[in-house]
Amino acid sequence: DAKTTQPNSMESNEEEPVHLPCNHSTISGTDYIHWYRQLPSQGPEYVIHGLTSNVNNRMASLAIAEDRKSSTLILHRATLRDAAVYYCILRPYSGGGADGLTFGKGTHLIIQP
Amino acid sequence: GAVVSQHPSRVICKSGTSVKIECRSLDFQATTMFWYRQFPKKSLMLMATSNEGSKATYEQGVEKDKFLINHASLTLSTLTVTSAHPEDSSFYICSAIKGNTEAFFGQGTRLTVV
Repeated sequence: DAKTTQPNSMESNEEEPVHLPCNHSTISGTDYIHWYRQLPSQGPEYVIHGLTSNVNNRMASLAIAEDRKSSTLILHRATLRDAAVYYCILRPYSGGGADGLTFGKGTHLIIQP
Repeated sequence: GAVVSQHPSRVICKSGTSVKIECRSLDFQATTMFWYRQFPKKSLMLMATSNEGSKATYEQGVEKDKFLINHASLTLSTLTVTSAHPEDSSFYICSAIKGNTEAFFGQGTRLTVV
């Protein structure tokens, strides 16, 4: 499985934007970039995913580098409820629903009030 | 969005007993479900893939006789931890993927073996 590298932790202030980086230099052409987050004592939840173009949804934006070797998850205005561990995961399109996700260590996001 | 429900959310059992955890996909059919285990301050580790109507496939190092998986219908998979011991205490999480893209996770089950 292609590997991702994320900072162990990041800290931000409430109501400010947060940029969470992820390096995936060994990404293959068919790998999608997925982001999930896990709040304390809960199962992970989907945040966003993309292939090449930048993506936006109600939760966040995903900025993907032109060479696809890195990406950044952007929370436009962090709230205390965004404090969680954020996981950047690569999934091959061909794997579809047949393969489980490979979780790295993720980034522990701390939000200061 | 789709919902995956897991039950119970928390269970305490005596060493040597068995515990069953249920995972249901509430609004979609899942031919494949996944079971993960997470130790404190660690990441999720995939334990096994549950396949409806056939045997589960286990990741390397996971004892299939210890962690029995049954996927009898398109909306229900169960994980039974047999002859549980304190080292089996962990957070167990199930998941199902809808539409080949987004994975939905259960709320997790905190198992404590005393």
